[in-house]
Amino acid sequence: GAVVSQHPSWVICKSGTSVKIECRSLDFQATTMFWYRQFPKQSLMLMATSNEGSKATYEQGVEKDKFLINHASLTLSTLTVTSAHPEDSSFYICSARKGVNEKLFFGSGTQLSVL
Amino acid sequence: QQQVKQSPQSLIVQKGGISIINCAYENTAFDYFPWYQQFPGKGPALLIAIRPDVSEKKEGRFTISFNKSAKQFSLHIMDSQPGDSATYFCAASKGTGRRALTFGSGTRLQVQP
Repeated sequence: GAVVSQHPSWVICKSGTSVKIECRSLDFQATTMFWYRQFPKQSLMLMATSNEGSKATYEQGVEKDKFLINHASLTLSTLTVTSAHPEDSSFYICSARKGVNEKLFFGSGTQLSVL
Repeated sequence: QQQVKQSPQSLIVQKGGISIINCAYENTAFDYFPWYQQFPGKGPALLIAIRPDVSEKKEGRFTISFNKSAKQFSLHIMDSQPGDSATYFCAASKGTGRRALTFGSGTRLQVQP
């Protein structure tokens, strides 16, 4: 299957700082990547759709100024959590679609803990 | 509005038994239904997927059964093994191209040796 690499796998930061998470499709080009958020023992909630070369599309209730998404190339999307607060602590997962055959591959996730 | 409802929330099965997880969807525009397996601290991994033009798809020990009229689909894990213990998510999406998946609430499966 296709490989989606996500980095870092975990990060601890102080309240008020910003954290950047990278998502790379290693063996295919992804014009679209998706960012999900998952709380413990809960399902994945879509945060935003990242389109290469254009602005991300955010889901209702997701603050675009807080969760900055950049999709500068066909293999890289980044999520920056700005001015992080403890309530932003969560598991963030990116995914990328390989072609138009609907198969969606996920990164290994990033556990963010904001102190 | 929860578009994909999944049950049960948790499931305990003996080794060698059959694990069955069910999902129901509301949006008739959905045309792609995958199942994902997730281990703690890891991202979901695609197990198997089906489109509404077929009623069943089997890959190894995993089978998806699809009932279009009832808007339901299920995952069957035959000969369940302790290594299958994980959380399973059903999902659905509509259209092609740049469509995101809508996930069910997840089922925590525990296979006892």
